[in-house]
Amino acid sequence: QQPVQSPQAVILREGEDAVINCSSSKALYSVHWYRQKHGEAPVFLMILLKGGEQKGHEKISASFNEKKQQSSLYLTASQLSYSGTYFCGTETGTYKYIFGTGTRLKVLA
Amino acid sequence: GAVVSQHPSWVICKSGTSVKIECRSLDFQATTMFWYRQFPKQSLMLMATSNEGSKATYEQGVEKDKFLINHASLTLSTLTVTSAHPEDSSFYICSAGQGTLEQYFGPGTRLTVT
Repeated sequence: QQPVQSPQAVILREGEDAVINCSSSKALYSVHWYRQKHGEAPVFLMILLKGGEQKGHEKISASFNEKKQQSSLYLTASQLSYSGTYFCGTETGTYKYIFGTGTRLKVLA
Repeated sequence: GAVVSQHPSWVICKSGTSVKIECRSLDFQATTMFWYRQFPKQSLMLMATSNEGSKATYEQGVEKDKFLINHASLTLSTLTVTSAHPEDSSFYICSAGQGTLEQYFGPGTRLTVT
């Protein structure tokens, strides 16, 4: 089953924060986060493997809950370059890689 | 490092013809390559998983006779769309990895079938 992301879309002004959620109906082996610009391939942001893990990457960080069924991506002090579609990618243990439904983010000046 | 290339980046073909898309890992050996299809404003949908030297594993609903995948070496996988039709028009993306810890995506191939 494809993980569900929320919100579907969000518009921010520069400097504002956003949270994107990725929820699965069953436990995941890992969760990856990607950002995709229009017409381009996804760019890897980070991977979380352990329940309860939190990881940061400059002003973008993510968490993976203890049950490993939900992950959140945190964007702080957003920049124009953050605009794009964010996908979580998950692996369910059968060497199957599934992407979430996607969240479109637009940052305005 | 970890660069994946795709060729061509954009192709237009007539209905009924076949198109081959190449995916290469340029600076590493990829034991597994994945092929995805993405329609406008939608998520990436896994089509098949390709392991070097063995038959590809196709996802449910993906016709293996229509989407031929060959993974002849650790650096090259090809996807051939046979007898393409307008509904096959899409953005095709490959990724390569040595496990599922991280995947490296190619730049994608935009296919338009007229």
